[in-house]
Amino acid sequence: AQKITQTQPGMFVQEKEAVTLDCTYDTSDPSYGLFWYKQPSSGEMIFLIYQGSYDQQNATEGRYSLNFQKARKSANLVISASQLGDSAMYFCAMRVIQGAQKLVFGQGTRLTINP
Amino acid sequence: EAQVTQNPRYLITVTGKKLTVTCSQNMNHEYMSWYRQDPGLGLRQIYYSMNVEVTDKGDVPEGYKVSRKEKRNFPLILESPSPNQTSLYFCASSLAANTEAFFGQGTRLTVV
Repeated sequence: AQKITQTQPGMFVQEKEAVTLDCTYDTSDPSYGLFWYKQPSSGEMIFLIYQGSYDQQNATEGRYSLNFQKARKSANLVISASQLGDSAMYFCAMRVIQGAQKLVFGQGTRLTINP
Repeated sequence: EAQVTQNPRYLITVTGKKLTVTCSQNMNHEYMSWYRQDPGLGLRQIYYSMNVEVTDKGDVPEGYKVSRKEKRNFPLILESPSPNQTSLYFCASSLAANTEAFFGQGTRLTVV
């Protein structure tokens, strides 16, 4: 079975600082994908970034990067130069490539950016 | 515009009254899923579908039904809703296992 753990229920960061949101995962499947989603207060789920288990380089998308450490089974999201609009709930998720098409989510981290 | 559309966005209903939440995607995706989101529990998969006429249970399927008669539509049916099904529901679709899931806007359901 797959499991995602996000150990930070809430984080408070000053605007323009970088922030790291932690995510560890557990799976015995060798082929999987890791995703980060943002959920603002309006409720929608916004895809941020994807990392495949066989990808050699860490994924980056604009101000978002994923610090993928396969041996430690961690997939931390790094947001550079945080903005007030980054305040939201952030979810880490995993999907194995074979079998049931299920995204397994962590419990989320609520990020608050202070001006 | 590529999107997943859920309806309704908000629904208050009474225990036992059958309801359907619709979901439609315009991206020709094969994979579709339903999730429910509850505080402290993240999102949990209810049902998923890998293609037309192919559906399977997720982690919390009790009390729900789905159908996939057409590729674009994946309705969620609550035959006899109960208060413990009060939740925020999301429909999602994806092209493949290693691509992102696109989510609908969510349906906030309250069962009284």
